[in-house]
Amino acid sequence: DQQVKQNSPSLSVQEGRISILNCDYTNSMFDYFLWYKKYPAEGPTFLISISSIKDKNEDGRFTVFLNKSAKHLSLHIVPSQPGDSAVYFCAASVGGGADGLTFGKGTHLIIQP
Amino acid sequence: DSGVTQTPKHLITATGQRVTLRCSPRSGDLSVYWYQQSLDQGLQFLIQYYNGEERAKGNILERFSAQQFPDLHSELNLSSLELGDSALYFCASSDGTGQMTNLNTEAFFGQGTRLTVV
Repeated sequence: DQQVKQNSPSLSVQEGRISILNCDYTNSMFDYFLWYKKYPAEGPTFLISISSIKDKNEDGRFTVFLNKSAKHLSLHIVPSQPGDSAVYFCAASVGGGADGLTFGKGTHLIIQP
Repeated sequence: DSGVTQTPKHLITATGQRVTLRCSPRSGDLSVYWYQQSLDQGLQFLIQYYNGEERAKGNILERFSAQQFPDLHSELNLSSLELGDSALYFCASSDGTGQMTNLNTEAFFGQGTRLTVV
């Protein structure tokens, strides 16, 4: 049973446009959400996080939105750059920390020139 | 460089064998996590250790075990290997206390060990 779902295996976006990656979850106990970025042959790297007490968190070109009633979060990247091409994992945890993260299957973002 | 070191990077072994994967966490991090990434799966949480003690358990098979040593490095032991155990195994560390707090810590991942069972 997938508690964190990323329904788009891949997404292609033109350079300079907005990339929107979506994530849905089923466990209402999740209260902390993170996005990780992964390049081939490397481990995932932390990108941005959001606590369930917020509905938006922004860091430079990256913004994460959380809709608790819909159990949905999204990552916006504006403007998209070639270096953003990677696999993006959505993750969630209970208890406000990084203990035992539950990951989605990832979305492969391809930025086209 | 995340500061988390995993060895070996690649491992090829036969079915039925046993292997040990090693992880050195970032300096000062007390929590170590192990994750498995199979071809068609996202990252699956296996197990977490905090300061030498098991803290949380995920989808870890009985054939797998882990431990964290006094110097905080961790080992993941995989035994009676099957073809389906072929995957990327990631270790991550964090400075999380291991308790249910509101510390917004993130985990730092190593580069992974690619295990191929033939």
